[in-house]
Amino acid sequence: GNSVTQMEGPVTLSEEAFLTINCTYTATGYPSLFWYVQYPGEGLQLLLKATKADDKGSNKGFEATYRKETTSFHLEKGSVQVSDSAVYFCALSRRNNNDMRFGAGTRLTVKP
Amino acid sequence: NAGVTQTPKFQVLKTGQSMTLQCAQDMNHNSMYWYRQDPGMGLRLIYYSASEGTTDKGEVPNGYNVSRLNKREFSLRLESAAPSQTSVYFCASSSKPGQGIGGTEAFFGQGTRLTVV
Repeated sequence: GNSVTQMEGPVTLSEEAFLTINCTYTATGYPSLFWYVQYPGEGLQLLLKATKADDKGSNKGFEATYRKETTSFHLEKGSVQVSDSAVYFCALSRRNNNDMRFGAGTRLTVKP
Repeated sequence: NAGVTQTPKFQVLKTGQSMTLQCAQDMNHNSMYWYRQDPGMGLRLIYYSASEGTTDKGEVPNGYNVSRLNKREFSLRLESAAPSQTSVYFCASSSKPGQGIGGTEAFFGQGTRLTVV
C-alpha cells in the first residue's frame, strides 16, 4: 500500500543552521508529494509540493526535490529561523486517487 | 473566505456516549477527509469521500461512521466513544484532480480536540 516514512524527531537547531528532514515513500504509479507544516494550535498548511519526478517544490526558503530513483522527497532549508519552529509532515497522494497518506511528522524547534 | 470549518473545537465525552463532529467547506471541493492525529503517529485517515454521495474507509475506520450530507458537509460520528478515541480530529478537503494532473493538496480545518474519559 501507499505509505510515507519520515525521520524521527524531535529536531533542535540553532537559528541560521541548515535543516534537512528526510522523507521516503512507497506507492504504486506516480504520486504527488507534499510537505505540510503545522504551527502550534493550528491545522496543517501546505508548504510545498511536487507532482512529477525531478520537480523541485519551494516556498519560504524551503525546498524539496522529487527523486523517483530513491523514492525520496527530503525537505531542506539553508538558514532556519525561530519562526520555523513547527511540526512538518511529508505526504503523498496518487493520481486519480484522493486517499492521501501522511508521515508521522517531525517536530522542529529552532533556538535563538 | 472561511475555508474548512470544524465544530466543536473541544469536547469531553464519557465512555459510551455518542457525538457527531461537523465539518463544512466553502471551496466547492469534491473530496473531503477525516483524520485523527495522535502523538508519535502523525495523521491517520479515518474515512474519506471522493465525491458527493460516496464514502470510503481509510486506515482506521473502526468505531466511526461518516455522512457526506451534501457537497459542502462531511460529518464524523462516534456511536459509542472509547478512551482509545481520545485524539485531535482534523477535517480536510481537496479538489478533484483533472486529467493529466497528479494528486492535489488538501486544506485543513483547525481541528477538534476530543477527550474520552
